[in-house]
Amino acid sequence: QVQLQESGPGLVTPSQTLSLTCTVSGGSIRSRDYYWSWIRQHPGKGLEWIGYKYPHGNTYYNPSLKSRVTISIDTSRNQFSLKVISVTAADTAVYYCARGPTKWGDKNFDQWGQGTMVTVSS
Amino acid sequence: SYVLTQPPSVSVAPGQTATITCGGNNIGSKSVHWYQQRPGQAPVLVVYDDNARPSGIPERFSGSNSGNTATLTIGRVEAGDEADYSCQVWDSSIEHYVFGSGTKVSVL
Repeated sequence: QVQLQESGPGLVTPSQTLSLTCTVSGGSIRSRDYYWSWIRQHPGKGLEWIGYKYPHGNTYYNPSLKSRVTISIDTSRNQFSLKVISVTAADTAVYYCARGPTKWGDKNFDQWGQGTMVTVSS
Repeated sequence: SYVLTQPPSVSVAPGQTATITCGGNNIGSKSVHWYQQRPGQAPVLVVYDDNARPSGIPERFSGSNSGNTATLTIGRVEAGDEADYSCQVWDSSIEHYVFGSGTKVSVL
């Protein structure tokens, strides 16, 4: 079974860049079947989709975050990454990486990482 | 943007049935997915495409979707079902994935 694990700093200074990595094990990130997504959850709030990347092509972002977010994939390391620039306290959240949606049209997220808390504070 | 509305909390006695609603404009025309999130754990997909269960999810979990309301039903509730449950759809108008605010299920 595919497993995902987030890693990265738990504290980021305002106006700096938030960088997280998701390591995929038990399966290849090169699979043509799946997109790979980042999702976050503000304290006490619902989940918010950030964006996804397909290892063989396109990337798509939440329109509300598009100007500040980049998702990339490193197939040699079986990892994908998230960068959010110019962070503020509003970016404080638990960040999850997830598998999904699928290339054949399933628009859900079937495997998730444990999540990593990121706090934006000076 | 598309909004999904869930009740903040639902309480249920062990062995009874929990019903969690997810409201949205004409949600019956969309595919709804449900996630279980136990405290400190990753979300788990428990129902997809309105009423399908992933491998390993008990038959006690079922879903329905019609009109402006989708529903997740948990039958014969157990203490281990205590968690937050969130609904999710894909908003085709802006190609955006939308989640509900979540419902905390408490087992009395």
